[in-house]
Order: sequence, then C-alpha cells, then structure tokens
Amino acid sequence: AQKVTQAQTEISVVEKEDVTLDCVYETRDTTYYLFWYKQPPSGELVFLIRRNSFDEQNEISGRYSWNFQKSTSSFNFTITASQVVDSAVYFCALSEAADSWGKLQFGAGTQVVVTP
Amino acid sequence: DAGVIQSPRHEVTEMGQEVTLRCKPISGHDYLFWYRQTMMRGLELLIYFNNNVPIDDSGMPEDRFSAKMPNASFSTLKIQPSEPRDSAVYFCASGRQAGEQFFGPGTRLTVL
Repeated sequence: AQKVTQAQTEISVVEKEDVTLDCVYETRDTTYYLFWYKQPPSGELVFLIRRNSFDEQNEISGRYSWNFQKSTSSFNFTITASQVVDSAVYFCALSEAADSWGKLQFGAGTQVVVTP
Repeated sequence: DAGVIQSPRHEVTEMGQEVTLRCKPISGHDYLFWYRQTMMRGLELLIYFNNNVPIDDSGMPEDRFSAKMPNASFSTLKIQPSEPRDSAVYFCASGRQAGEQFFGPGTRLTVL
C-alpha cells in the first residue's frame, strides 16, 4: 500500500504566484521522519527538509515553508512567490522506525511548472 | 566534501549483456541505498546497506540483479543478463541513520 500520497500530479503557475504541494502519509509508528526532495530537469535529487514526528513546528526557509500536521497526517510544502527556477518535480518521503530508518518511501511526486 | 559519485552517467547496452553500475558514497556515511526511477513506477528502493552489510533487498526485482558493498567507499549494482525493461535511471544515495539521504547524479541505463 502506498504510504505517501501526493495527489497532485502537476501544478502550473505563473511566476510570483504561490504554490502549495500536498503530502499525506500513513504510518503506525509514533516515531518517523518526513522529507521533501526536489528533482529539477537536470535529474538530480536535492534534499530540501527533514522533519521528525515530534516536531510539529512549521518551518520557513527563504521562499519555502512547510506545514506539518499530525492530526491530518499531512506535511505540505509551499513555495512563495514562485520563480521559473522552481520548476521541478517535488517528492515527499517517509522514513519509519519500523524499517530501522533505512527506507525512504517516496510519493509519486508533483510536477511544478512555473511560467514567466 | 565531494557528493555521492556514480559511474557511468550513461550506459547503453544490448539485451543479454552484463551491466555494472558503481557508486562511491560520501565519506562517513554508514548507509548506502540503490534506487531505480522509471516513469511507470516512480522511485523504488532496490536495496540498502548499513555498515557494508545488506539490510533489505526486498526491492530487488529478480535474481538478475545483485549488489555488493565490499568496503565503506564503494558499491556496485550488477544486472546480468540485462533486459529492455531494466531501462531506467539508477540512483545511489548515502546517509546516516535517520538522516537525510544524499543522492548521486544517477546512471541512465538504456537496454536495447
């Protein structure tokens, strides 16, 4: 069963618009980690953020912000004032204690297209 | 510090040939992962090692795939014999326990 769901396949925005990417996860563990990765057209996977299950504080890093809500099992990602360079596929991922932290289970990814 | 290094970056081979993909993890990382990415299946974990020992190979598609990690600074993923459906981008990643995984640039494999 899919443990990480990214329901949005593709989001298209015009530059300077905000875009929010949804991520819903499923786990029975009380201790787990959530991640976001970016895959630009060049193909490499770039780590953006890691959040543990005990830290529900929202985080902001520049134009990026993350909203973690355990009550809804969601870890959403917002890009504020999007730029063309933000065009990429964004992956949400889950790591569970039950897997000895080894596995990153990825969602299907959301393609973000930012046009000038 | 250099990132994860993978070679080759591109590989084109014919069906039935043996393919060996190589990975050098980031120094000091005790976890190493092999992933495969395709349009149909997305990112799949094939196998991962902890301190050079294979921990979970349940993602390895079949016996044609094998992976080794003879030491902390080198790992290989071998496909023998290769088939067209093995065409994909293969990523190697390394990390520390519960930490973020750092990915290599990937090897784009095409099996004709």
